[in-house]
Amino acid sequence: EDQVTQSPEALRLQEGESSSLNCSYTVSGLRGLFWYRQDPGKGPEFLFTLYSAGEEKEKERLKATLTKKESFLHITAPKPEDSATYLCAVLNQAGTALIFGKGTTLSVSS
Amino acid sequence: DTAVSQTPKYLVTQMGNDKSIKCEQNLGHDTMYWYKQDSKKFLKIMFSYNNKELIINETVPNRFSPKSPDKAHLNLHINSLELGDSAVYFCASSQGPLYGYTFGSGTRLTVV
Repeated sequence: EDQVTQSPEALRLQEGESSSLNCSYTVSGLRGLFWYRQDPGKGPEFLFTLYSAGEEKEKERLKATLTKKESFLHITAPKPEDSATYLCAVLNQAGTALIFGKGTTLSVSS
Repeated sequence: DTAVSQTPKYLVTQMGNDKSIKCEQNLGHDTMYWYKQDSKKFLKIMFSYNNKELIINETVPNRFSPKSPDKAHLNLHINSLELGDSAVYFCASSQGPLYGYTFGSGTRLTVV
């Protein structure tokens, strides 16, 4: 069964304190791993797609990496505006929909 | 100009009623989706439509029926609403399975 597990469930950081979020997945023949950001009361907002092990993508203070079993979202010197829930998803085996993890809620305090 | 728009944003209704949620996208995408986000924030796929054709119908009660009059619209009809249907429902669209989804802002359904 296609599955995505994210850890930790919640993460509290001080402004400037770098950290990483983890996303492990089980899907046969990974065709795409996606990271989204969701703010309270809003829909998820697309951040990155990673397609193969070793691939990395960056956007401002965020950097996503991918191995054969997991992905990491590294947050460098976070700011309070980075506070949100970060969702990881994989394309299901049939290639017809994204399967989401339960997310990591990040709180960054100044 | 909103890319994926859902209406209404909030919906409060009594058990047993029938309701609809509308979704429209102006991105020219061929594929549209309905997701349900429960109280624990878990997003689960309900339906997927590609160019008006049903692709996915996950284990969703048949009280839920999607309707796609054209590829820019995907509406969700729910009959005989139950307390457990309370959740946030998101519509999304994409160019195809390997592309990121664009989500609407969600419809919070509360069944009382």
